[in-house]
Amino acid sequence: AQSVAQPEDQVNVAEGNPLTVKCTYSVSGNPYLFWYVQYPNRGLQFLLKYITGDNLVKGSYGFEAEFNKSQTSFHLKKPSALVSDSALYFCAVRIPAGTALIFGKGTTLSVSS
Amino acid sequence: ETGVTQTPRHLVMGMTNKKSLKCEQHLGHNAMYWYKQSAKKPLELMFVYSLEERVENNSVPSRFSPECPNSSHLFLHLHTLQPEDSALYLCASSQVPAGGYEQYFGPGTRLTVT
Repeated sequence: AQSVAQPEDQVNVAEGNPLTVKCTYSVSGNPYLFWYVQYPNRGLQFLLKYITGDNLVKGSYGFEAEFNKSQTSFHLKKPSALVSDSALYFCAVRIPAGTALIFGKGTTLSVSS
Repeated sequence: ETGVTQTPRHLVMGMTNKKSLKCEQHLGHNAMYWYKQSAKKPLELMFVYSLEERVENNSVPSRFSPECPNSSHLFLHLHTLQPEDSALYLCASSQVPAGGYEQYFGPGTRLTVT
């Protein structure tokens, strides 16, 4: 069965430091992977996706994600965190042969000044 | 209006009421989705409408019924809800398959069942 795991409920980082939000997946075939961010009282915003090609994917707001097939991971990264990056982050994988996405439970990122 | 809009943004209803949530996408997409977001739980896919598939999550109670009259509009009809149905209901749309399958979300309807 397809699944997505975000092992950390919360990640804390100081402003200016690099950040990583972890995601691992289990899916048959080649994965379509996504990252979303949700600010309070808002819907989810699309950040980036991996379908094929370079393992390092660049997205919105300076975020990037690294696809690692052998480790079945798709970690979200940013070289220098901002306080405004504090939000809830979701990893998602497309259901094979379908259009729906399966989401992880989310990771709360807290960036302190 | 741009993107995906949802109305109302907040809804309080009694257990015997009937109400509907509305979603409209202005992106020219061909697939639309309803999700339920509860505290401390993963997003739950409720319904999918697309040219490729129509999916109903079998675990969704029959007190929720979707309607998709065209590719731009999606409704979620609610009747005789339970307090545990209180949640944020999110609508999303995507362009499949050419669009890459990423979904774009509306701001959600915060539903409280009393």
